[in-house]
Amino acid sequence: NAGVMQNPRHLVRRRGQEARLRCSPMKGHSHVYWYRQLPEEGLKFMVYLQKENIIDESGMPKERFSAEFPKEGPSILRIQQVVRGDSAAYFCASSPDGRAYEQYFGPGTRLTVT
Amino acid sequence: GNSVTQMEGPVTLSEEAFLTINCTYTATGYPSLFWYVQYPGEGLQLLLKATKADDKGSNKGFEATYRKETTSFHLEKGSVQVSDSAVYFCALVGGSQGNLIFGKGTKLSVKP
Repeated sequence: NAGVMQNPRHLVRRRGQEARLRCSPMKGHSHVYWYRQLPEEGLKFMVYLQKENIIDESGMPKERFSAEFPKEGPSILRIQQVVRGDSAAYFCASSPDGRAYEQYFGPGTRLTVT
Repeated sequence: GNSVTQMEGPVTLSEEAFLTINCTYTATGYPSLFWYVQYPGEGLQLLLKATKADDKGSNKGFEATYRKETTSFHLEKGSVQVSDSAVYFCALVGGSQGNLIFGKGTKLSVKP
């Protein structure tokens, strides 16, 4: 059973470009969480999604950031008009139904904005 | 709001030394508590958990006890190995939806 997959592992964008980060949850998992890890910081919750629904986006910046988890395909975290402060590692986690605390993490995408 | 505070690193130990990484929390009620480990270049892996007061989580020689009187969940291992070198994160369930709140992480380096 493959683990949580994230791609790309490394992404370099220039200021003002768009960044699209992908996350494929573990097979059978329908809950996806996105976290951001800034340098020298712990992980911060961004958004929680189920298939076709955003359940909790209380950790998402109000502008430029959006997330989706379509019926088919991976979850996408999209950052428009990136700025240097967006440089961070972005981690996705998935969990099975009924066990939200049992989160399995992907290897992360390291975004660098130049 | 809920929060987690863990000791700052880095922590450098010799092989077979005793390890303690302190973690304290602030929370409403009694949330489930976790330790995650992150090896270089990898994602986080759940190391152990405790879901109620006085529970002891254990895995791979690591232990942590949920202490509500001191609001702590300190990670311990009696004899560390070089392969334990990693960053360790203490976390709790932050909300009803299951999102996790993490400490800043403690980097452990074990020397042969």
